[in-house]
Amino acid sequence: EPEVTQTPSHQVTQMGQEVILRCVPISNHLYFYWYRQILGQKVEFLVSFYNNEISEKSEIFDDQFSVERPDGSNFTLKIRSTKLEDSAMYFCANQQSSSYNSPLHFGNGTRLTVT
Amino acid sequence: GQQVMQIPQYQHVQEGEDFTTYCNSSTTLSNIQWYKQRPGGHPVFLIQLVKSGEVKKQKRLTFQFGEAKKNSSLHITATQTTDVGTYFCAGGGGATNKLIFGTGTLLAVQP
Repeated sequence: EPEVTQTPSHQVTQMGQEVILRCVPISNHLYFYWYRQILGQKVEFLVSFYNNEISEKSEIFDDQFSVERPDGSNFTLKIRSTKLEDSAMYFCANQQSSSYNSPLHFGNGTRLTVT
Repeated sequence: GQQVMQIPQYQHVQEGEDFTTYCNSSTTLSNIQWYKQRPGGHPVFLIQLVKSGEVKKQKRLTFQFGEAKKNSSLHITATQTTDVGTYFCAGGGGATNKLIFGTGTLLAVQP
């Protein structure tokens, strides 16, 4: 079964540093999402992305966050100046179509630790 | 904003016992999806429900969507140790594609 691939699997960074989390989506899956999960808590929506632009974002996704598809394949999440509370597991997810009943395919996640 | 709550937060059962998790949304949903997350893993899609009152079965798992499309349940018959993990419901609100995940129920199964 096709997979969503995320790199790195674990990123440790100091507070105030920039991080870029990368995702290689499933081919022909055109809808992209970033979710995050603080340890032991629920999966929180950050942003959705389609046709090279943000479709929707949550209140968590403030000015320090950005997303892009720099080369038409990779999908990245950038956090400009990390804070301690950004420590979480970040999941990239793909959806094949815009149909509301199309399932999300998640990557294995990147564990971000901000010290 | 839309909130999706699940109860219980945690359930510990003996292998062979049944298990149910309940999902409640603050708003009417266009659809509900269920995901399972093994410890240390990522959410994996299980099933989706679209119609009011819909019931679907997958082997020992039974999923139900409420008549008002604001609640759902997942019932596991005769749990096995492989059922261990966190079960999340995720609701779609219709106007957007985003799914709002529930708070999750962590299932522990003692052999």
